[in-house]
Amino acid sequence: SQTIHQWPATLVQPVGSPLSLECTVEGTSNPNLYWYRQAAGRGLQLLFYSIGIDQISSEVPQNLSASRPQDRQFILSSKKLLLSDSGFYLCAWSVRTPGPSMAFGSGTRLTVV
Amino acid sequence: GQQVMQIPQYQHVQEGEDFTTYCNSSTTLSNIQWYKQRPGGHPVFLIQLVKSGEVKKQKRLTFQFGEAKKNSSLHITATQTTDVGTYFCAGPRRGGADGLTFGKGTHLIIQP
Repeated sequence: SQTIHQWPATLVQPVGSPLSLECTVEGTSNPNLYWYRQAAGRGLQLLFYSIGIDQISSEVPQNLSASRPQDRQFILSSKKLLLSDSGFYLCAWSVRTPGPSMAFGSGTRLTVV
Repeated sequence: GQQVMQIPQYQHVQEGEDFTTYCNSSTTLSNIQWYKQRPGGHPVFLIQLVKSGEVKKQKRLTFQFGEAKKNSSLHITATQTTDVGTYFCAGPRRGGADGLTFGKGTHLIIQP
């Protein structure tokens, strides 16, 4: 069966520090991968999506970047965190042709202090 | 751009009462999906509706897709404490590979 792993679960980082969140998918190949952010009590905002290795589309201008070095690995990064980067970051995947649904990882709760 | 709106934002009900959340899209959707997020958890897929006027049931949950495929509703009969959480509707962006556009969700709070 397909599973998605995301870590760490929680993270407290100072302003100006770097960030690296990792997501891996098992049990499938060529998945579409996504990073969403959820601000406290708010909806889900799509940040990046990827349809293949090294193919990244950015949805909103921001302080973050994403990379996909391997088929089932998706990484969210920042060189210098801002207070406004705090939130709940969710990795998700859907099968390529066209997926009936989106499966989310357990999320990373990031607090920038 | 495409917008997906949900009302209400918050809904307080007594346990045993019914609950309904409504979803409206600014564009016609090929399908609509519903997700549930428990407090502190991540969104979990509930169902997908594809056909105009489609109605699907999952136990006490009834999902409906509008005739024009621009709106949808989720109705819960006789709520239970396990129904607590945030319910999101979502529609495909552009060609589908671009992910989903989510509504802001309806937070269901149940008072015992």
